[in-house]
Amino acid sequence: DGGITQSPKYLFRKEGQNVTLSCEQNLNHDAMYWYRQDPGQGLRLIYYSQIVNDFQKGDIAEGYSVSREKKESFPLTVTSAQKNPTAFYLCASSMAGGTGELFFGEGSRLTVL
Amino acid sequence: SQQGEEDPQALSIQEGENATMNCSYKTSINNLQWYRQNSGRGLVHLILIRSNEREKHSGRLRVTLDTSKKSSSLLITASRAADTASYFCATDSNNNDMRFGAGTRLTVKP
Repeated sequence: DGGITQSPKYLFRKEGQNVTLSCEQNLNHDAMYWYRQDPGQGLRLIYYSQIVNDFQKGDIAEGYSVSREKKESFPLTVTSAQKNPTAFYLCASSMAGGTGELFFGEGSRLTVL
Repeated sequence: SQQGEEDPQALSIQEGENATMNCSYKTSINNLQWYRQNSGRGLVHLILIRSNEREKHSGRLRVTLDTSKKSSSLLITASRAADTASYFCATDSNNNDMRFGAGTRLTVKP
């Protein structure tokens, strides 16, 4: 079945460690997005990519990094520079242009111990 | 910064009643979308309305858009307990990004 897959679903990290969240899609979508969601809050845009080998910062990119080496993959690294990384992270994709429907993964919950 | 702001933040109704949620945004948009999120899950797309449209229907959903007021509303008719979820509006700018509001938490009591 076509869809978007995030892994891991739950992740625990010690302070000072970098962690990478995986996002893979087999929908042949050009655009991919990473959002952060805090409890009871909306989604805040971290990074987005419209095409392979290109990506743009969103509203809260500090302390995060991404790569887009393949069309189907858009991993997010939460670095030790991110001061409050505990959150629910959502990846999404859409067709070219990014102005259509977003398809979301089931999310990754990161907890810093 | 978040583009959309939903109102109310929380809404509790009885099964069978209608639920209305509002969204206001700040800048010009190409389209506005509404999404639903069950607790701890990803978001699911409900409906998209383009900037040149004023109203759109899909099943029990009715969406309106007023670009002069930079606002939209989502009406869910004859609500069911299964409609309990958070609802978000999302807008895109000319940068092809997609930004979401803070959401409305809807509770439908059986």
